[in-house]
Amino acid sequence: AQSVTQLDSQVPVFEEAPVELRCNYSSSVSVYLFWYVQYPNQGLQLLLKYLSGSTLVKGINGFEAEFNKSQTSFHLRKPSVHISDTAEYFCAVSVPETGNNRKLIWGLGTSLAVNP
Amino acid sequence: GAVVSQHPSWVICKSGTSVKIECRSLDFQATTMFWYRQFPKQSLMLMATSNEGSKATYEQGVEKDKFLINHASLTLSTLTVTSAHPEDSSFYICSARGAASGSLNEQFFGPGTRLTVL
Repeated sequence: AQSVTQLDSQVPVFEEAPVELRCNYSSSVSVYLFWYVQYPNQGLQLLLKYLSGSTLVKGINGFEAEFNKSQTSFHLRKPSVHISDTAEYFCAVSVPETGNNRKLIWGLGTSLAVNP
Repeated sequence: GAVVSQHPSWVICKSGTSVKIECRSLDFQATTMFWYRQFPKQSLMLMATSNEGSKATYEQGVEKDKFLINHASLTLSTLTVTSAHPEDSSFYICSARGAASGSLNEQFFGPGTRLTVL
């Protein structure tokens, strides 16, 4: 069965410090990988995605993630965070379902709190 | 492109009443729509998947008579919470997927609806 594990439920960090949010997945089939951000009381916004090709993926707001197939990881990084990055971050994998359809498997989320 | 809207963005209702939430794909045809529920500080829980013109497929543990889903057109799906109770209070998020998603089958998310049942 497929699963997604976000290793840290909460990550406090000071402004302008680097941050890494960890995500590991388990799947016996090929996956697509996503990171979404959710600001308070808002819906989900796609940060970045890995489909194929280069394992280093750059997204919006200065975030990037690296796909590591051997470690089945897709950690999210930002070299210098801002107060405005305070939000909930979700890692998700897209796996085959019936026919040509795919479904999303979600991690439990990591709450990033950026302090001044 | 690929914008999904939800209405209302928040709703407060009395216990025992029914509430309808709309999910619309504004600039593409959504052959499939998904309804998620999110409790505070938790991840998204898929409630059901609806394909246009057919009955929704509910996830295990989700009461289909409690959460009525209609996907009557390629741009609109509705979720009706019937006889709502305080424990139904939650953040409900829809997503839509269409032919434009291609082989990726990417889902595009709505902004969510905050339901509070008093």
